[in-house]
Amino acid sequence: NAGVTQTPKFRVLKTGQSMTLLCAQDMNHEYMYWYRQDPGMGLRLIHYSVGEGTTAKGEVPDGYNVSRLKKQNFLLGLESAAPSQTSVYFCASSYDIGDTEAFFGQGTRLTVV
Amino acid sequence: AQKITQTQPGMFVQEKEAVTLDCTYDTSDPSYGLFWYKQPSSGEMIFLIYQGSYDQQNATEGRYSLNFQKARKSANLVISASQLGDSAMYFCAMSGGGSQGNLIFGKGTKLSVKP
Repeated sequence: NAGVTQTPKFRVLKTGQSMTLLCAQDMNHEYMYWYRQDPGMGLRLIHYSVGEGTTAKGEVPDGYNVSRLKKQNFLLGLESAAPSQTSVYFCASSYDIGDTEAFFGQGTRLTVV
Repeated sequence: AQKITQTQPGMFVQEKEAVTLDCTYDTSDPSYGLFWYKQPSSGEMIFLIYQGSYDQQNATEGRYSLNFQKARKSANLVISASQLGDSAMYFCAMSGGGSQGNLIFGKGTKLSVKP
């Protein structure tokens, strides 16, 4: 059972470079989320999607873009990486956020130098 | 706007004792969900327990129970009979009601279980 898969697991970027993080889920979930986790800050919601073709901003959306062209995939893009975007990124998905838990990927550790 | 507050950055508990991790929330939605997740040092996020805003009884899952006090807007996690493997970060989270679809987390509490 794959569940939620994040690609890549580790990445080092130079300031100004761009990259895309891929999140794929095989559970037919409607809701998908991207978070960043920084020490002492918990998980902060970057963007989320309530269904294919929809996206919405979370708490810390600046510097990131997302797309949900297919129901099973949620992409997080960094157009011009900055050292402040050094973090661990988690993707999650849920069938119905009202009363079911979210399933998380293993995380992506991104370092911007 | 929704908000989750966890005021205990770190907690210690003796093995086999019970411990309560605090969580307060703020929302104007009448319908919402409250969750607790565990994050061990390996980094994965593990779902522990869920409480719906309309649930009359406190949720329980094995050694975990959620002390839900709606009027006080608190959703504390109680772990009974602590084990060494309970040492981890614990996050309280809240989902928005209706079609909002967002799921927000508190800053977490680091629990350390002493032998």
